[in-house]
Amino acid sequence: AQSVTQLDSHVSVSEGTPVLLRCNYSSSYSPSLFWYVQHPNKGLQLLLKYTSAATLVKGINGFEAEFKKSETSFHLTKPSAHMSDAAEYFCVVTGFQKLVFGTGTRLLVSP
Amino acid sequence: NAGVTQTPKFQVLKTGQSMTLQCAQDMNHEYMSWYRQDPGMGLRLIHYSVGAGITDQGEVPNGYNVSRSTTEDFPLRLLSAAPSQTSVYFCASSVTSGSGNTIYFGEGSWLTVV
Repeated sequence: AQSVTQLDSHVSVSEGTPVLLRCNYSSSYSPSLFWYVQHPNKGLQLLLKYTSAATLVKGINGFEAEFKKSETSFHLTKPSAHMSDAAEYFCVVTGFQKLVFGTGTRLLVSP
Repeated sequence: NAGVTQTPKFQVLKTGQSMTLQCAQDMNHEYMSWYRQDPGMGLRLIHYSVGAGITDQGEVPNGYNVSRSTTEDFPLRLLSAAPSQTSVYFCASSVTSGSGNTIYFGEGSWLTVV
């Protein structure tokens, strides 16, 4: 069975400061992991994905994530937050024929 | 660039009414699925299909029916709407059902059952 845990339901940062959104996963085999972003009343947009190639994955809009097998983590980071980053972020693990979503982390960015 | 198209975007239903959420993709993807999104629960899988003529249940299938008569279309039917089905629904597709394939989502359908 696979599962994913997003450790924070809300994260608040100031514009220009680093962003860290935490995700731990559980998988009985080598997982594929994704981060999606959802802006208010919008669909889900793929930020980045890990599929057993490089452990440091770079995505869109300056985001990146590092796959750490020993820690079963896939945390999302960005060096400097922008107001437009305010959204909900979902960590996702894939298995055969389905995705398993985390419960989401809402990122709040203040001026 | 159509991708995954869902209709309608917004719908209000009365309890007991039936309706169909439409989903179409133009990428020739084999795998299509429906999710519902509820506050604090992420997205939960309702039904999925690995190809035309093949469907299966996900995590929360009760109250919903699906069919897949063509590769492009995967409609979701609510037979007798209940307030518990008030949610945001997302259709998704990918090339295959294999792990690692990027999943593409529609824009969502906001459904309210009163």
